[in-house]
Amino acid sequence: DARVTQTPRDKVTEMGQEVTMRCQPILGHNTVFWYRQTMMQGLELLAYFRNRAPLDDSGMPKDRFSAEMPDATLATLKIQPSEPRDSAVYFCASGLGNQPQHFGDGTRLSIL
Amino acid sequence: GESVGLHLPTLSVQEGDNSIINCAYSNSASDYFIWYKQESGKGPQFIIDIRSNMDKRQGQRVTVLLNKTVKHLSLQIAATQPGDSAVYFCAENQGAQKLVFGQGTRLTINP
Repeated sequence: DARVTQTPRDKVTEMGQEVTMRCQPILGHNTVFWYRQTMMQGLELLAYFRNRAPLDDSGMPKDRFSAEMPDATLATLKIQPSEPRDSAVYFCASGLGNQPQHFGDGTRLSIL
Repeated sequence: GESVGLHLPTLSVQEGDNSIINCAYSNSASDYFIWYKQESGKGPQFIIDIRSNMDKRQGQRVTVLLNKTVKHLSLQIAATQPGDSAVYFCAENQGAQKLVFGQGTRLTINP
């Protein structure tokens, strides 16, 4: 079964540190999404790419968050500097055309 | 102190019974809807989808019903099994594959 792979699985760090989360989309998928899941807000779309170009990042705090796709097999989400309110589970999903998105198992981020 | 989070609607059913999970969506222009299942510690897993030109679609043990008049979506699970215990999310495509997720319903199976 093809899967979206996310690393690291868990990350605990101190406030102010840079955090980088990585995602390997399913081979052949041309759309990549970053979501954040919290108890308070549920699942929120942060940003997404099609054919490696950013299409929409309106859900992402611009001052500290950045999302990139250095190549078709890697998407990154960075937070610098991190804050305790960034603690959440971050999911990557990939898709192709009108087919449903497939999710990875997330990165559990805790900012102390 | 204890954090306050979303109060997820909860549905408890007996093993073997049918489950119906409901979802109201917001945008009458949404043309595509998906149901996802999320187990503890995992990402949302695709279950079934439906496009707005249909009102019913069936999969293996699952059926999705779409009522565009009242903007309502439901997921029916037949003969519920312990492995069906999870949080179920509906999502609507509001254009350009941009999904908006509902708050989720926690399904608990009683033996």
